[in-house]
Amino acid sequence: DTGVSQDPRHKITKRGQNVTFRCDPISEHNRLYWYRQTLGQGPEFLTYFQNEAQLEKSRLLSDRFSAERPKGSFSTLEIQRTEQGDSAMYLCASSSGRPDSYEQYFGPGTRLTVT
Amino acid sequence: AQTVTQSQPEMSVQEAETVTLSCTYDTSESDYYLFWYKQPPSRQMILVIRQEAYKQQNATENRFSVNFQKAAKSFSLKISDSQLGDAAMYFCVIQGGSEKLVFGKGTKLTVNP
Repeated sequence: DTGVSQDPRHKITKRGQNVTFRCDPISEHNRLYWYRQTLGQGPEFLTYFQNEAQLEKSRLLSDRFSAERPKGSFSTLEIQRTEQGDSAMYLCASSSGRPDSYEQYFGPGTRLTVT
Repeated sequence: AQTVTQSQPEMSVQEAETVTLSCTYDTSESDYYLFWYKQPPSRQMILVIRQEAYKQQNATENRFSVNFQKAAKSFSLKISDSQLGDAAMYFCVIQGGSEKLVFGKGTKLTVNP
């Protein structure tokens, strides 16, 4: 296992621009999660995929946010028309979904700064 | 809705000593799981310990143990023989009724040599 990877690790963008982040889960993990962590807070759930199906979305995920997992492997999170309030660490996690393996494994995160 | 409250924003402990981090939670789910996750500075979040709500026995994992008080909705983490590598942000987490994890605000633990 190489672990969950995320790209890029850091992104600085100007307000109003679109950004896209990528997450590669641990191979064979069929569940993938996105969380957002702002400074001094714990991560907040955004959305969850089982294979390619997006099964749960938080109300935090406004219309400007969209996530995909087209082939049930990697996932992308796109933010359109970024706002300063979108500045945060975006964390991806994956899990196997097996009853005996409950852990969500987290990636290093993508830190977004909107200027 | 599920909530997690960590009332200690920061804690410190001397190396080799014991420290307890507090957590209370609220949920309407009858079946849920509680976790402590650790986030070292500039490093990835990792699972420390897990407790199933239906189990009365407190979970232990080497130097880490929990005190799970279901009626009081309390879930504290005890770290024994603290090591410098234990310095991190610790999050109390609940999962119930869905796949999502609900995190507390975290407790920053400093380990003094």
